[in-house]
Amino acid sequence: DAGITQSPRHKVTETGTPVTLRCHQTENHRYMYWYRQDPGHGLRLIHYSYGVKDTDKGEVSDGYSVSRSKTEDFLLTLESATSSQTSVYFCATTTGNQETQYFGPGTRLLVL
Amino acid sequence: SQQGEEDPQALSIQEGENATMNCSYKTSINNLQWYRQNSGRGLVHLILIRSNEREKHSGRLRVTLDTSKKSSSLLITASRAADTASYFCATVPYGGATNKLIFGTGTLLAVQP
Repeated sequence: DAGITQSPRHKVTETGTPVTLRCHQTENHRYMYWYRQDPGHGLRLIHYSYGVKDTDKGEVSDGYSVSRSKTEDFLLTLESATSSQTSVYFCATTTGNQETQYFGPGTRLLVL
Repeated sequence: SQQGEEDPQALSIQEGENATMNCSYKTSINNLQWYRQNSGRGLVHLILIRSNEREKHSGRLRVTLDTSKKSSSLLITASRAADTASYFCATVPYGGATNKLIFGTGTLLAVQP
């Protein structure tokens, strides 16, 4: 998994509670991404970062926020979790050529 | 919006056979990539083909790209049980940021021993 870890790996939470997922990389890659994976939709980009404190929205960013205070960490926050945010979340990074992406192992989130 | 659509959605073959899966996309691209995902794991990059390339090989993998038809195919030769996984195509749209991929919905390949 190219030095990418995600925590937690599994989480069950209740509707309306805040949730933060963490992605940690040891490769010093500049770009980091958060995706969600749902049946029938493939992977969809939520947010991405192109440097410390530099982030931008992806295709499905509503209800999510991100922060990147260090090169190695990229946090995804669900301010008030909803059942529609039940999904598997993947973090990814890119090397200097910004083309091939390396993925973490995923976080399985269930919102009840 | 989904850029790539894989076909078939699911494929079951015997070990030793070849597996072919296809990807169609909607807009012009800079490059197209194929990824594999084993059950419960993250995606792993397999191969990248640029818009000016027509065919590329990597081990038992062969990828073709037809930009006039906006389609690509991934061929896995002499399949093994360990090839059982989901396979996704992902595109970098032409003129778009090279750091943003758009993924298809995937093909689930089952290789029977």
